[in-house]
Amino acid sequence: KAGVTQTPRYLIKTRGQQVTLSCSPISGHRSVSWYQQTPGQGLQFLFEYFSETQRNKGNFPGRFSGRQFSNSRSEMNVSTLELGDSALYLCASSFSSGGYNEQFFGPGTRLTVL
Amino acid sequence: DQQVKQNSPSLSVQEGRISILNCDYTNSMFDYFLWYKKYPAEGPTFLISISSIKDKNEDGRFTVFLNKSAKHLSLHIVPSQPGDSAVYFCAVRSGGTSYGKLTFGQGTILTVHP
Repeated sequence: KAGVTQTPRYLIKTRGQQVTLSCSPISGHRSVSWYQQTPGQGLQFLFEYFSETQRNKGNFPGRFSGRQFSNSRSEMNVSTLELGDSALYLCASSFSSGGYNEQFFGPGTRLTVL
Repeated sequence: DQQVKQNSPSLSVQEGRISILNCDYTNSMFDYFLWYKKYPAEGPTFLISISSIKDKNEDGRFTVFLNKSAKHLSLHIVPSQPGDSAVYFCAVRSGGTSYGKLTFGQGTILTVHP
């Protein structure tokens, strides 16, 4: 069974630009969560989508948004990029939302903002 | 306000010995606890989990212990192998409407020496 895939793996942008990251969950998984990892803050929850609906949202500004498609694939968008948005963005999928469901992570997208 | 703390940034052990990684949490509403392992430039890999109704879960060389009264979680790796060298994160989930949101500790770097 294929794992979680994320594209692109690496991205370089400049301040003020916007970026879209993509995540394909494990086949059959309907929940997709997004996390930001930085050296200072560790792994921080961004949001979770289940059946195309946002179920939960972390403490990030409105510049961070996401969506989920009917095939469970998800995208996250960051508008008006800031230097502090440089991070590893991780996507995780699970069979269902909540409950005792393990989340399986993709390799991440490394975003560098110059 | 750090709800999940891994107080040891690093741990060094000899091959064949036991590795014990610790995690403390503050919120008694957390009901599901997980451990992940992370290599550089990769996403976290799920290792083992435990629900709040149990106090121990074992999977091969990995055992997770949960002490709810002390709000303490630990991961035991026996015997430790050089390939176990990685960053280990504990993650917790609270019930109710948190759905798929996981809160992570800051991580512990484990080094297993041959």
